[in-house]
Amino acid sequence: DIVLTQSPALAVSLGQRATISCRASQSVSISRYNLMHWYQQKPGQQPKLLIYRASNLASGIPARFSGSGSGTDFTLTINPVQADDIATYYCQQSRESNTFGAGTKLELK
Amino acid sequence: EIQLQESGPGLVKPSQSLSLTCSVTGYTITSGYDWSWIRKFPGNKMEWMGYISYSGSTNYNPSLKSRISITRDTSKNQFFLQLNSVTTEDTATYYCARYFNPLGYWYFDFWGPGTMVTVSS
Repeated sequence: DIVLTQSPALAVSLGQRATISCRASQSVSISRYNLMHWYQQKPGQQPKLLIYRASNLASGIPARFSGSGSGTDFTLTINPVQADDIATYYCQQSRESNTFGAGTKLELK
Repeated sequence: EIQLQESGPGLVKPSQSLSLTCSVTGYTITSGYDWSWIRKFPGNKMEWMGYISYSGSTNYNPSLKSRISITRDTSKNQFFLQLNSVTTEDTATYYCARYFNPLGYWYFDFWGPGTMVTVSS
């Protein structure tokens, strides 16, 4: 299995930039496809797709969310952070089957 | 818009079978894509369990292969999860989701709200 590693938590101030990382145990890129995706989950809600294929914004997602990376290292950036962004963020790879990271809880500083 | 809704018992006894239904509205499950089950354990770990494709073929997580079955009722636009011989380790929130699967994509774009299942005697 491809293991995805995320930091458990990140504390940020409102209006600042948040950078959430996800590292894969092996490359999740095939040719030009970076098969890493990001989800936001708030308590009591289902996960919501934010970013697909590393850097593509899903429909209806605000432009303050962005993604980057290739190979084994990927980043989700929120800039500027708003109160509504307080949630847990998961990465998911689809290079080999499907696995998820353990999630990064975004907290207010 | 596409909506998915899970339903089923919230409490299952150890060694019994867990059975859940996912009802889909806004899209016909035989029209395309794969229809998945994902679970989230207490402590936040998420696990993809498997899917049934629009054509009826299935693909399961190898870690569950001996215990899992995903089927469908196309007349009701529903698909189902059966997990046999459950233990307390199967306590989780279970989600159904659409797997967007054109070449080079492969992510979960629509999710149900989830249903919590506790395995306990």
